[in-house]
Amino acid sequence: ETGVTQSPTHLIKTRGQQVTLRCSSQSGHNTVSWYQQALGQGPQFIFQYYREEENGRGNFPPRFSGLQFPNYSSELNVNALELDDSALYLCASSLDWVVNSPLHFGNGTRLTVT
Amino acid sequence: GQQVMQIPQYQHVQEGEDFTTYCNSSTTLSNIQWYKQRPGGHPVFLIQLVKSGEVKKQKRLTFQFGEAKKNSSLHITATQTTDVGTYFCAGLNYGGSQGNLIFGKGTKLSVKP
Repeated sequence: ETGVTQSPTHLIKTRGQQVTLRCSSQSGHNTVSWYQQALGQGPQFIFQYYREEENGRGNFPPRFSGLQFPNYSSELNVNALELDDSALYLCASSLDWVVNSPLHFGNGTRLTVT
Repeated sequence: GQQVMQIPQYQHVQEGEDFTTYCNSSTTLSNIQWYKQRPGGHPVFLIQLVKSGEVKKQKRLTFQFGEAKKNSSLHITATQTTDVGTYFCAGLNYGGSQGNLIFGKGTKLSVKP
């Protein structure tokens, strides 16, 4: 089975720009969650998608938005980038959020905002 | 809001010594999960604890969930250099969706050979 894949691996953007990060979930998983991990911190929950609908959101502003596609892959979009958005963005898929199955993380996208 | 605290933040041990990290939640949890993140890597699921007072073992790793379901611990016996990494606990509130795990800040373990 293929694991969770994220692209790109690294990205450098300028403050005020917009960015789109992509994630392919593990085969058979219908739930995708996005996390932001600042250096030296634990992952912080951004939002979760289940069958193309957002079904949970953390304490992030509306300029963080997402999509899930029929094949369960997902995108994270961030508008009006700020310096504090520099972090590792992790996508995690799970078998089904209803049964509390474990999260399978991708390798992440390292975003640097200058 | 809910907080999950982990101590210590860092732990340096000599290979062969034991290691313990503690996790405390401000609210009662429905379950707690533990993840390990190697340097430069991504978090990898280790285990999930659901029942009050539950104890689970994986070779040299022992995981406990407190009776009140507000705290947990991970104990590693006779550490090896392969144990190096950051260990995170992640708690799920009752009624919370799986993605809305609240992660602690982690305990970074270094092992001196």
